[in-house]
Amino acid sequence: DAMVIQNPRYQVTQFGKPVTLSCSQTLNHNVMYWYQQKSSQAPKLLFHYYDKDFNNEADTPDNFQSRRPNTSFCFLDIRSPGLGDAAMYLCATSRSSGVSEQFFGPGTRLTVL
Amino acid sequence: GQNIDQPTEMTATEGAIVQINCTYQTSGFNGLFWYQQHAGEAPTFLSYNVLDGLEEKGRFSSFLSRSKGYSYLLLKELQMKDSASYLCAVIDSNYQLIWGAGTKLIIKP
Repeated sequence: DAMVIQNPRYQVTQFGKPVTLSCSQTLNHNVMYWYQQKSSQAPKLLFHYYDKDFNNEADTPDNFQSRRPNTSFCFLDIRSPGLGDAAMYLCATSRSSGVSEQFFGPGTRLTVL
Repeated sequence: GQNIDQPTEMTATEGAIVQINCTYQTSGFNGLFWYQQHAGEAPTFLSYNVLDGLEEKGRFSSFLSRSKGYSYLLLKELQMKDSASYLCAVIDSNYQLIWGAGTKLIIKP
């Protein structure tokens, strides 16, 4: 089945210790997104890629970086996680960046100790 | 600013009908999505409306009034598995997806 896969599902890291979250897709979609979602809040868009064109949201902290080495894979790097970065991180894809349904991966729940 | 308003939480009884409202103020409009999100899981697509009126899909229906900046999601014959958060999201004139915080729906037997 075509899908969006995220690894790991649960990630625990120490305060200040870099962490990388990964996402892969078999849908062959052009656009990939990274969202941060905290409990009972709306998903907050961090980055999106249209193909390899990188788009950084204006209020995404510098502590967050992203890479998309090819169409199928996308990575989210958190350089120095703080307690406030504990959240669910959702990867999503869509066929285009216009009016297009987004397909989500299962998410990675990040805990910062 | 851009804003999407939904009730924070609603409670309904198994077998009943519930309507979840969403009002929006955005810079332009290119459609509205409803997503379902079970606790600890990713959102899954329910519906998309871009024209006024009601779209029906099984037990779920979604309504849109662009002139009023208003949509609702109607869930019929509620089942326990419908307990989830329901998120409204609007595509603005820049094709950015603006998300609401979601409505947590609690179903009681």
